Amino acid sequence: DGGITQSPKYLFRKEGQNVTLSCEQNLNHDAMYWYRQDPGQGLRLIYYSQIVNDFQKGDIAEGYSVSREKKESFPLTVTSAQKNPTAFYLCASDTGTGRGGYTFGSGTRLTVV
Amino acid sequence: GENVEQHPSTLSVQEGDSAVIKCTYSDSASNYFPWYKQELGKGPQLIIDIRSNVGEKKDQRIAVTLNKTAKHFSLHITETQPEDSAVYFCAASMGGTSYGKLTFGQGTILTVHP
Repeated sequence: DGGITQSPKYLFRKEGQNVTLSCEQNLNHDAMYWYRQDPGQGLRLIYYSQIVNDFQKGDIAEGYSVSREKKESFPLTVTSAQKNPTAFYLCASDTGTGRGGYTFGSGTRLTVV
Repeated sequence: GENVEQHPSTLSVQEGDSAVIKCTYSDSASNYFPWYKQELGKGPQLIIDIRSNVGEKKDQRIAVTLNKTAKHFSLHITETQPEDSAVYFCAASMGGTSYGKLTFGQGTILTVHP
């Protein structure tokens, strides 16, 4: 079955460390997105990519970085510059035409210890 | 950019009652309005969507209405069941050249009591 796989499901990070969250899709979707979810704030866009080797900053990109070397993969790195990284991170994809809804992964919960 | 406001933040109903969640958006260029349901510890799932050339859409117990003039849209769930309990998000996008980049509302926690 096609879908999006996020890993790991839970991640613990020490202060000052960079961590990378994985997102892989086998839906043949062109566009991929990273959102951050905090209680009471909905989903906020971190980065998005419409095509391989291209990506754009979203509303809260500071302290994050991404790459899009393959169509199937869109990893997110949470750097030490992100002041408050504890959150639930969601990856999504769609056809990129703006004519359909997202397919979401099951999320990664990141906690700073 | 687009801004989406969602109300109420929490909604509690008895099984069998109806539930209504409302959203307003700011950018009149937005033309695609999906609704997502998120269960605890999972990613959101698309439950229904509507485009700006349609005023209402129904799918069994779920319906969405859109008022372009007032820039608001609503989710209606009839004959609610305990399994409808979840967090619901509305969203808006301009599609087209914005490639479907979605702006989400803050979410509504719906609780259906048996």
